[in-house]
Amino acid sequence: SQQGEEDPQALSIQEGENATMNCSYKTSINNLQWYRQNSGRGLVHLILIRSNEREKHSGRLRVTLDTSKKSSSLLITASRAADTASYFCATAPSGGYNKLIFGAGTRLAVHP
Amino acid sequence: DAGITQSPRHKVTETGTPVTLRCHQTENHRYMYWYRQDPGHGLRLIHYSYGVKDTDKGEVSDGYSVSRSKTEDFLLTLESATSSQTSVYFCAISETTGGSGANVLTFGAGSRLTVL
Repeated sequence: SQQGEEDPQALSIQEGENATMNCSYKTSINNLQWYRQNSGRGLVHLILIRSNEREKHSGRLRVTLDTSKKSSSLLITASRAADTASYFCATAPSGGYNKLIFGAGTRLAVHP
Repeated sequence: DAGITQSPRHKVTETGTPVTLRCHQTENHRYMYWYRQDPGHGLRLIHYSYGVKDTDKGEVSDGYSVSRSKTEDFLLTLESATSSQTSVYFCAISETTGGSGANVLTFGAGSRLTVL
C-alpha cells in the first residue's frame, strides 16, 4: 500500500495565486521529499525535508512537516503557467530510507 | 534526464512473451531503482539495487526479476508479460547524501510498455 497520499488529487488555479498540496503518510520516516512531473516526462526532485525539520524553503517553494500528524504540505507561491505539472510526495521510511515510497500525486493546472 | 537512459522508450508486446527493459547510468551511483507508474497509483517500487549483484524487492515485485552485473546497468525482466504489466516504467538512480543517509532520486525518461 502507498505510504504517502496527496490531497487534493487535482487543483486548478489562476496565475499569481498560491497552490497548496498536502501529503499524509503512515509510518515513521527518515525524510520526506517532493517531486514534480511534467506530462510525459520523468520526475524531478524539488525539495527534501528531514524528520527533525519543520519547514524548508527553496525559491517559491515552502515545505512543512508535522511528524506528530504524519503530514506535510507543499506551498508554491505566485504560481506560473509553467508550474502546471503533477506533484508527488515521497517518504523514506525509518530503517529503510533507501526505498522511497511515492503517493498518487496532485495534478496542478495553472491558468494564464 | 542527463546521466540516465532507458531503453526501449516504447514497446508493444504480446501476452506471454519475455520483455527486458534496460537502465543505463553514467553517474556511477550506487543505488538504482525500477518503479512502475499507473493512473491512480503514483509510482510503485518494483525492485532496487544497492550495488553490483545486490538487489532487493519492492512492493510490487511479483512477475518481475532484475539483474545488475555492472554498476552502470540495471535490467528489469518480465519473464512472461501479462496485460496487468502494461504501464510506464521508470528507472531512477541515487547516491546517499549527508550524514543521515538521504537518497534523492534522479529519474530516467520512462519506458512505456503495452502488453496486448
